[in-house]
Amino acid sequence: NAGVMQNPRHLVRRRGQEARLRCSPMKGHSHVYWYRQLPEEGLKFMVYLQKENIIDESGMPKERFSAEFPKEGPSILRIQQVVRGDSAAYFCASSKGPYNEQFFGPGTRLTVL
Amino acid sequence: DAKTTQPPSMDCAEGRAANLPCNHSTISGNEYVYWYRQIHSQGPQYIIHGLKNNETNEMASLIITEDRKSSTLILPHATLRDTAVYYCIVRGTMYSGGGADGLTFGKGTHLIIQP
Repeated sequence: NAGVMQNPRHLVRRRGQEARLRCSPMKGHSHVYWYRQLPEEGLKFMVYLQKENIIDESGMPKERFSAEFPKEGPSILRIQQVVRGDSAAYFCASSKGPYNEQFFGPGTRLTVL
Repeated sequence: DAKTTQPPSMDCAEGRAANLPCNHSTISGNEYVYWYRQIHSQGPQYIIHGLKNNETNEMASLIITEDRKSSTLILPHATLRDTAVYYCIVRGTMYSGGGADGLTFGKGTHLIIQP
C-alpha cells in the first residue's frame, strides 16, 4: 500500500511565477491536509480538505494561496505570484477519517529565486 | 486542543531505552495524545496515540499517567536512526467538540542517539 505521494519533490520558481504542488493521498483516504515548514521553524497547518470540499482553511494566507481536492486526481496547492518568503517545505498528509491519524508525504521543497 | 510542553533536547545511548516526557496539564477528558517524529527534513512520521490506557505498537510504547496530565513515549532499544525531533500533540475528537482539523505542532524534543 503506497504511502502519501507528493510531487515534485523539489521546485524552483522565480518571483512572480506560479507554483503547483500535488498530493496523492493513501489509498482509501479521502481527507487531505497541507502544512508548511519555513526554514528553521515548526510545521504549521494550512488547510484541510475532503473530496471537493474545503473544510478548514484557517491557516492559509489570505492572498495568492489556494487549494483544491477534486473528485478525481490529486489535491493541488497553488501559490500564485510567488515571493521569496514562500520558500519552504510543504507537506501533505492524509487520513481515513476526520479523527483518524494523519500520514505524511515526503514534502515538496519550494525555492523562490 | 490542549497545549503541550516538552524538553527541547535529550540524549540517549544507542541500545538503551529512550524516554521522552510530555506535559499536557490542560488536557480534557476526550482528547487523545499523539506522537509524531520528524527525521531531518523528512515528512513527519506517525508513531502512536492513546487516550487513557497505555499503548504499545511495533515502534514504541506510550505511558499516560492516571490523571492524564502527562505522558511518556518509550523507544525500547534506541538506534542511531531514531535521532529525530519528536512531537507530542493533543487532539480533540468529535466527543470533546474538537475540530477535525490540522495538527498543532510545537517545538518538540530533539532526541539525539549517541553511538
